[in-house]
Amino acid sequence: EPEVTQTPSHQVTQMGQEVILRCVPISNHLYFYWYRQILGQKVEFLVSFYNNEISEKSEIFDDQFSVERPDGSNFTLKIRSTKLEDSAMYFCASSETGRSYNEQFFGPGTRLTVL
Amino acid sequence: GESVGLHLPTLSVQEGDNSIINCAYSNSASDYFIWYKQESGKGPQFIIDIRSNMDKRQGQRVTVLLNKTVKHLSLQIAATQPGDSAVYFCAENQNDYKLSFGAGTTVTVRA
Repeated sequence: EPEVTQTPSHQVTQMGQEVILRCVPISNHLYFYWYRQILGQKVEFLVSFYNNEISEKSEIFDDQFSVERPDGSNFTLKIRSTKLEDSAMYFCASSETGRSYNEQFFGPGTRLTVL
Repeated sequence: GESVGLHLPTLSVQEGDNSIINCAYSNSASDYFIWYKQESGKGPQFIIDIRSNMDKRQGQRVTVLLNKTVKHLSLQIAATQPGDSAVYFCAENQNDYKLSFGAGTTVTVRA
């Protein structure tokens, strides 16, 4: 069964450093997403991406965040200058369709720890 | 602000019993709802979905009920098994690109 994969599973970084989280969405999916989950809290939407453009983003997704699809398979989330409050699980998701009835498939997540 | 939430943060259920997990939403424009299961250290896993033009949908051992009048969603798990222990989230889509998640209910199955 096809699945979303993410690397690394755990990333530890110093405050102020840049990190890149990587995802490989399901191959025939066209819409890609990043969510985050602070420990013990609910999953929060960050950004959606389609046709090499951001289609929607939340207020969390400020100028420190960027996304990219550098090739035909990878989808990345970059945080330019990490803050302590960026520590969270980051989930990538993908779906075949965009708006409405868009079943999103989630990856296993990357745990980001900012020291 | 948040439009999706859960009534109870934890639920303890005896193995073999049925479980009912509830969720309230506030946005009447939402037209698609999903229940996700999240096991420790893993990403959300799709369980079942329902569109707003339906009030009930059944899967394998799971049933989702949607009451649009009171904006309430529930997930019923039949014959709960130890492998059902997890955090359950409801999520809604408002004809846009994102899913909005509720706070989650932790289900613990007692042997």
